[in-house]
Amino acid sequence: DAKTTQPTSMDCAEGRAANLPCNHSTISGNEYVYWYRQIHSQGPQYIIHGLKNNETNEMASLIITEDRKSSTLILPHATLRDTAVYYCIVRPQNTGTASKLTFGTGTRLQVTL
Amino acid sequence: GAVVSQHPSRVICKSGTSVKIECRSLDFQATTMFWYRQFPKQSLMLMATSNEGSKATYEQGVEKDKFLINHASLTLSTLTVTSAHPEDSSFYICSARVSGSSTDTQYFGPGTRLTVL
Repeated sequence: DAKTTQPTSMDCAEGRAANLPCNHSTISGNEYVYWYRQIHSQGPQYIIHGLKNNETNEMASLIITEDRKSSTLILPHATLRDTAVYYCIVRPQNTGTASKLTFGTGTRLQVTL
Repeated sequence: GAVVSQHPSRVICKSGTSVKIECRSLDFQATTMFWYRQFPKQSLMLMATSNEGSKATYEQGVEKDKFLINHASLTLSTLTVTSAHPEDSSFYICSARVSGSSTDTQYFGPGTRLTVL
C-alpha cells in the first residue's frame, strides 16, 4: 500500500472549518483515499473516500489534488465532538482480501472553545 | 452507514483463561471481517483477515494458535484469546467489509477492552 503522511496534531476553534491535510505522493492509479476517525476508546468511524474527484457527504468534504499526490479533509463547522484522531489511508478497491486497511499514526485534531 | 457490534465491550479475566469476543454485522452481510489490536497511545494493528467459511489469514507475528478466529456465518466472526496473559491486555476491534457494493468500505465495531490480571 502507498504510504501517507499527516501532521501529528492540529487545533481548531469550534465553529470554524477544520482542514486536515494528507500527502500520498506514491499513490497508484487504482488506489482510493479513505478517511476514518477514532474518538477516544471507540472503534474507527468511516468518514469519506474518493478516487480523483472531490467528494462531499453529511460529515465532510474531501478535496483531492489533480495529480492525486495529496488531499484535504474538510470538516466545515467543527464541534467539540469532532475531537479525534483522523486517519488518511490509501488502498485499492475491490481486490479481494488483499485490500486491507493499514493505519498510520493519523492527525490528532483538538477542537477548542 | 452499516452497523457492526462487538460483545463484550469490556472483559477482565485471570491469566491462563480464554476469552471469546464476538463481532456481528447487524444490517449487512460480510464475507470478510478483520481483527485489529490497539495498545495505548498506538495506532491500530491488523491481526488477521477472516473469511466466511474458510481459515483466517494472520499477519506476520500473530500467533494463530493463540488467537483463534472463526467466521462461521456471513454476519458473525469470533476471536478467542487462548491462555491469556497480561501482555494480551489491549483494545480489540473488528471491522466488516460491505461486499458486493460499489464502495467496498470497511465499518468498525466499537471495540472490546481486554484486561488480563
